[in-house]
Amino acid sequence: GAGVSQSPRYKVAKRGQDVALRCDPISGHVSLFWYQQALGQGPEFLTYFQNEAQLDKSGLPSDRFFAERPEGSVSTLKIQRTQQEDSAVYLCASSLARGVTEAFFGQGTRLTVV
Amino acid sequence: DQQVKQNSPSLSVQEGRISILNCDYTNSMFDYFLWYKKYPAEGPTFLISISSIKDKNEDGRFTVFLNKSAKHLSLHIVPSQPGDSAVYFCAALYGGATNKLIFGTGTLLAVQP
Repeated sequence: GAGVSQSPRYKVAKRGQDVALRCDPISGHVSLFWYQQALGQGPEFLTYFQNEAQLDKSGLPSDRFFAERPEGSVSTLKIQRTQQEDSAVYLCASSLARGVTEAFFGQGTRLTVV
Repeated sequence: DQQVKQNSPSLSVQEGRISILNCDYTNSMFDYFLWYKKYPAEGPTFLISISSIKDKNEDGRFTVFLNKSAKHLSLHIVPSQPGDSAVYFCAALYGGATNKLIFGTGTLLAVQP
């Protein structure tokens, strides 16, 4: 596709429910990032993939958060046993290669945990 | 500990005038600095960047200035247009194995017609 695509755009989950958020990066982009943006804050780094390898997951807030990119293209961010503090916009970004500074962001998935 | 800070949550300017958005950082190891623009319900879009070895980069109406001794950068928009109204995020690129971005909290720019 022309840009980074994320689905769903909006997700309401009951506390304790598991959710899966999908990211389709720009075709051919090697690097893929997940960011979490709380209300009134800037995006915060969660995890980074280079192709299918997860090279950095230092930003994942707890072991309830899990991300994968099994074939080096589409990525899924999974949150188990959601809590209210998980409510945020989850942004996916991709870039052509590790050394390229510009990353392209998707529209994000707004997760609301009730 | 906020490594990238945007101390002005909002800024209002008249159409045609200059908009100056400011950003401060604490880590002298950042390789690049970037500005992203964000409209409501959309993801951030890249605007302009500057390498840590430069002090100025210009692209059309947008110029970014970097003062490394003060650990400060600014984005100048001249002339400002109503379509520039958006949230502007300053971000620093933390190199190493990841190339992850460290974002500020953003400044909401309103350009009045």
